[in-house]
Amino acid sequence: KNEVEQSPQNLTAQEGEFITINCSYSVGISALHWLQQHPGGGIVSLFMLSSGKKKHGRLIATINIQEKHSSLHITASHPRDSAVYICAARKRDYGGSQGNLIFGKGTKLSVKP
Amino acid sequence: NAGVTQTPKFQVLKTGQSMTLQCAQDMNHEYMSWYRQDPGMGLRLIHYSVGAGITDQGEVPNGYNVSRSTTEDFPLRLLSAAPSQTSVYFCASSYSTGTGYEQYFGPGTRLTVT
Repeated sequence: KNEVEQSPQNLTAQEGEFITINCSYSVGISALHWLQQHPGGGIVSLFMLSSGKKKHGRLIATINIQEKHSSLHITASHPRDSAVYICAARKRDYGGSQGNLIFGKGTKLSVKP
Repeated sequence: NAGVTQTPKFQVLKTGQSMTLQCAQDMNHEYMSWYRQDPGMGLRLIHYSVGAGITDQGEVPNGYNVSRSTTEDFPLRLLSAAPSQTSVYFCASSYSTGTGYEQYFGPGTRLTVT
């Protein structure tokens, strides 16, 4: 079993729909990242969370440390939101080294007009 | 700032050839890393560096070498390319915010080994 699991793998939505992507992890973490990868490959960091909730525009990320679960929500989805969304967990026990980011396999989102 | 830059964007190698993937960042970040991305798998860490002169292995280091002589540059060397190294390679840099590490990725290098 992967240490970071995302669901669903693929998601198709109609423009305007509310979207939720889930991420579960099985290791102790110091932070959880949500990344976006558009077709063509570039990867952009959306959020870094260690507790609670963060919001940026139509994107909201939440994390529940006790349940080892995070969600990424997109409100009023738009075709330009079509991308792969990647969850990545930063393990706690590396004394500050950043060589410990574990990635989920990604969720491919397609938003139809 | 240019951010994280990678060259080349695309490369085709024959089995056994060697090459260096270049990565540079102009944000004065201490931490840099190389990942590979394969279909159906998450990004996997190849090597990383916590500062100039310091490197360490990640999850999949075999067949790759790195060095970090300056803060800005972190090249990845393939010593003898194999078809299993066909992948998309991402370089990233990060800095500590005090509560975590903010991550910046390069645009990627798509490598095909025939």
